[in-house]
Amino acid sequence: EADIYQTPRYLVIGTGKKITLECSQTMGHDKMYWYQQDPGMELHLIHYSYGVNSTEKGDLSSESTVSRIRTEHFPLTLESARPSHTSQYLCASSKDGQNTEAFFGQGTRLTVV
Amino acid sequence: KNQVEQSPQSLIILEGKNCTLQCNYTVSPFSNLRWYKQDTGRGPVSLTIMTFSENTKSNGRYTATLDADTKQSSLHITASQLSDSASYICVVSAKTGANNLFFGTGTRLTVIP
Repeated sequence: EADIYQTPRYLVIGTGKKITLECSQTMGHDKMYWYQQDPGMELHLIHYSYGVNSTEKGDLSSESTVSRIRTEHFPLTLESARPSHTSQYLCASSKDGQNTEAFFGQGTRLTVV
Repeated sequence: KNQVEQSPQSLIILEGKNCTLQCNYTVSPFSNLRWYKQDTGRGPVSLTIMTFSENTKSNGRYTATLDADTKQSSLHITASQLSDSASYICVVSAKTGANNLFFGTGTRLTVIP
């Protein structure tokens, strides 16, 4: 069982609300990632971080923002949620170096109504 | 362009039968290839990792193969069980690049009694 946790698991909110999806890992991994996945579709990288105070945008454009103030935490924030943000958000982490495994959290299923 | 393609997109088999999932990639320079299992509503979990020099690797009823020359991998599941029903995702890592993880779209496997 991987030591990476996401909260909440499920979230239903109204349009225009600000939300933060939490992701924490206790493995001391430097690299952390956020992926967006629609049902039955592939994972798309939206943000990643190589360490504290390092954040980069991924391949898929996203209106969300992230921060990495501490190694263990990599929260994702939507300032004003819209129905188009409805999706599953998966957080992952990995050690630096080659042949390392990416460990995934359980995901947050977000529905914006 | 670095890409990972999986086939078939979906598969339905009877419990106890064997099946083989395919992954073709164009990722370069190649570092390693992992097969992940993703249960519905959960995060992916790594099944196997294949590096350039490895041709086959087993994990219980799962056997992965890699042909680095043709850039193809397969995941063979033996004596399928109902709990094997999930999406199987092929993930290829490149040796270089800011974002070096490339995901396939997955194969949705359904095992029926």
